Amino acid sequence: QQQVKQSPQSLIVQKGGISIINCAYENTAFDYFPWYQQFPGKGPALLIAIRPDVSEKKEGRFTISFNKSAKQFSLHIMDSQPGDSATYFCAAFEGGAGSYQLTFGKGTKLSVIP
Amino acid sequence: EAGVAQSPRYKIIEKRQSVAFWCNPISGHATLYWYQQILGQGPKLLIQFQNNGVVDDSQLPKDRFSAERLKGVDSTLKIQPAKLEDSAVYLCASTRGLAGGSIREQYFGPGTRLTVT
Repeated sequence: QQQVKQSPQSLIVQKGGISIINCAYENTAFDYFPWYQQFPGKGPALLIAIRPDVSEKKEGRFTISFNKSAKQFSLHIMDSQPGDSATYFCAAFEGGAGSYQLTFGKGTKLSVIP
Repeated sequence: EAGVAQSPRYKIIEKRQSVAFWCNPISGHATLYWYQQILGQGPKLLIQFQNNGVVDDSQLPKDRFSAERLKGVDSTLKIQPAKLEDSAVYLCASTRGLAGGSIREQYFGPGTRLTVT
């Protein structure tokens, strides 16, 4: 049972272009939606996150758009750079009864070509 | 602030052998997680500790996996006996704890890549 669906599986973008990765969820108990960036041989690193009461959050070149009614959220990377080439994971957080869980999507491998 | 430390970074074993992984969380972080990340997939939670107590181990294959966090700091994850399908990266993560929004911000270590042959 995949609670967070992520697409596309891979993405190739020209330097300076916009990278867009989409995620969808079903569980309305999720209350925090982070994006993680993972380079080969490294652990995931928190990139940006949003709560469902906000429709958009921007940090530098990274923007999360959130559509609560559609249960969808997306990551936009503006002016994509070769250094952004990595695997990106969306995730959703659910907390309650003492258990606090992050559920991850399957990841998107982004390649930014010069 | 030092990050989450894990060792070893790589391990190759034969099936039916045992293996142990070690994690040292960020200083002061009360909550510790172990995840399994199979190639091409996102991390999957195995077990969550709050201080030295288990909060959630519902996804831990308890017939072969065990984990402990004896003094509420370091943790070890053990597999015995290993199967081919256990080949994955094992990630440790930590958070400050139950104080407000900090429980949601998980910091990951570099992981241990396990290959079972």
